[in-house]
Amino acid sequence: DTAVSQTPKYLVTQMGNDKSIKCEQNLGHDTMYWYKQDSKKFLKIMFSYNNKELIINETVPNRFSPKSPDKAHLNLHINSLELGDSAVYFCASSQDGTRNEETQYFGPGTRLLVL
Amino acid sequence: GNSVTQMEGPVTLSEEAFLTINCTYTATGYPSLFWYVQYPGEGLQLLLKATKADDKGSNKGFEATYRKETTSFHLEKGSVQVSDSAVYFCALHSGGSNYKLTFGKGTLLTVNP
Repeated sequence: DTAVSQTPKYLVTQMGNDKSIKCEQNLGHDTMYWYKQDSKKFLKIMFSYNNKELIINETVPNRFSPKSPDKAHLNLHINSLELGDSAVYFCASSQDGTRNEETQYFGPGTRLLVL
Repeated sequence: GNSVTQMEGPVTLSEEAFLTINCTYTATGYPSLFWYVQYPGEGLQLLLKATKADDKGSNKGFEATYRKETTSFHLEKGSVQVSDSAVYFCALHSGGSNYKLTFGKGTLLTVNP
């Protein structure tokens, strides 16, 4: 079984559309994350949720709205897509989030291309 | 705030060459340090970690030692293989209410046969 899964793997869409990316983890972790990786491979955290509660929102435009229906799922909805949103989006999870020795487990990524 | 600086890539080596990727950090408290690896087309996965000063993390022939005095966590491998071609990320977590990993910018390694 895949520990952290994301769907879809690829997403090609037009500017102005609204799209969602889904993430699920079967590790029993309490904390989940969304990261954005740009074309230069730079990774930037967007959001973090602990037990369905928003913990980190790193000055992400409010067109991005995460939703956590339960602690095993963290979905990302993006409104009014812009060209600059093209990137790879990674979901990740960790057991607790506050312990510095924790490993984060990453999903395979969703490659978003906005035309 | 926390920050991680790692050597700019890309790094290109021949098979069996020695690899060093430098990483230095700035952090409050006593962070844990990590190396994550991203193989082409995949997500990141933990390569190794160290949780306190002078600890050495190791995995798959890679090693890194947590040096508090030089605030460094350099990644080394004695003999690289073509299959080691990937992007390598140094990262730290300082714990507490921080809730996040701070990543370096990544170093692309290409190993040629």
